[in-house]
Amino acid sequence: KNQVEQSPQSLIILEGKNCTLQCNYTVSPFSNLRWYKQDTGRGPVSLTIMTFSENTKSNGRYTATLDADTKQSSLHITASQLSDSASYICVVNSGGSNYKLTFGKGTLLTVNP
Amino acid sequence: EAGVAQSPRYKIIEKRQSVAFWCNPISGHATLYWYQQILGQGPKLLIQFQNNGVVDDSQLPKDRFSAERLKGVDSTLKIQPAKLEDSAVYLCASSPEQGKAEKLFFGSGTQLSVL
Repeated sequence: KNQVEQSPQSLIILEGKNCTLQCNYTVSPFSNLRWYKQDTGRGPVSLTIMTFSENTKSNGRYTATLDADTKQSSLHITASQLSDSASYICVVNSGGSNYKLTFGKGTLLTVNP
Repeated sequence: EAGVAQSPRYKIIEKRQSVAFWCNPISGHATLYWYQQILGQGPKLLIQFQNNGVVDDSQLPKDRFSAERLKGVDSTLKIQPAKLEDSAVYLCASSPEQGKAEKLFFGSGTQLSVL
């Protein structure tokens, strides 16, 4: 069964600090992995996409990594801001003829002043 | 570019009542999804349309949920009769095409409370 597990479930940090969110998946076949940011009361918004051949990709203060061998991804947030408070959802695309998106439950990040 | 529009924003009903949600996807997007997101959980796919045809409705509780996408544009999701466990946020998403690089564009959702 395809699964996406995220950790931690929730995280509280102080403004200006860094943090790393984890995503482990058992989806097969694997096509790509997206990280979405979901602000409270809003729909998720795509932050970045990681394909099989990519190890690291940055989008401003967000840096995503992918280890396709261990089936793990991480999202690192540098110099956190209050606006980073949100839920971060990892979504894996299986691609191929059995195309399917598998969602993780998300990590709820709270950045305090 | 206009985003995915959903209405209503909030809805409160009593159990056994019926409710309908509306979604207008981004213009030109062929694929439309309805997701159910229970508090603290990730979105769960209810139904996927490609143009006006159903691609996947395997997780749609068909005894009480129905959805349609007439003319391949707007879509409505209906619940009849509602149960307490249907309390959730219902998200609509669209994408230009289904495929390996698919990026979903989500609406803000309809928050449903069933009392």
